[in-house]
Amino acid sequence: DIQMTQSPSSLSASVGDRVTITCQASQDIRNCLNWYQQKPGKAPKLLIYDASNLETGVPSRFSGSGYGADFSFTIANLQPEDIATYYCQSYDKRPIFTFGPGTKVNIK
Amino acid sequence: QVQLEESGGGVVQPGRSLRLSCAASGFTFSDYGMHWVRQAPGKGLEWVAVIWYDKSYTYYAESVKGRFTISRDNSKNTLYLQMNSLRDEDTAVYYCARDVRSARYDFWGQGTLVTVSS
Repeated sequence: DIQMTQSPSSLSASVGDRVTITCQASQDIRNCLNWYQQKPGKAPKLLIYDASNLETGVPSRFSGSGYGADFSFTIANLQPEDIATYYCQSYDKRPIFTFGPGTKVNIK
Repeated sequence: QVQLEESGGGVVQPGRSLRLSCAASGFTFSDYGMHWVRQAPGKGLEWVAVIWYDKSYTYYAESVKGRFTISRDNSKNTLYLQMNSLRDEDTAVYYCARDVRSARYDFWGQGTLVTVSS
C-alpha cells in the first residue's frame, strides 16, 4: 500500500507570505497526485491535479510541483481566505485513492 | 450545476446497520464513477469505496471490506452505502464524490454525519 506523508502538520504565516507544504509518497507515484483544500465544516475542494495543473477557477497563487515520490504545494501570497487544511491525494493505485494526513494553515 | 446531496446519517448503536444515500443532479450520473470518503471528527480524509459508472466494479478500503456495500441506481441518479456491523471507529462525516478518470474528485457532497454509539 502507498503511504503519504505531509509536512508540516500545521503552520502559521502572515498575510502575503509564501507558504510551502510538502508531500512524500512511500513509492514512486509519477505525477499521480492531487491537492485539496478543506475549510472548516466544508467538503474538500480540488485545487491542483496531476501534481502541477491548476483546476479551473482556482486562483493562480496556488501551485504544485514534483514527480516521483516528492511533491510540493505553494501558496504564493497567503490570503485570509486561505485558512484551511490542505491534503495531498495519490491515485497511482487507481481507483483506490490515498490521502495524506493534512496540513493546517493558519494566519499569524 | 452539479449537485451531490447525502442523506441517511444519524446515531446508531454498535453492531447495527445504516444506509446512506447520495442524490446526484446536474450531470449524467451514469457516466461517472462515484466514491464514498469519510472523515472522523477532527481527523483526516479516508477513502472508503468506489463503484464504476456501470456498476461493473467495486473496491473497498480494508477497514470496511465485508461490512460495507457500495451500490448505485442509475435510473434514480442515486449512490448508496450500506453499512453493516457498525463500529465506534466508523463514526465520521461521510461524503460522496464524483470521480474524474479514476484520478481525482471534482465535486463533493456536503457530507452526512454517522455516529456509532451505545
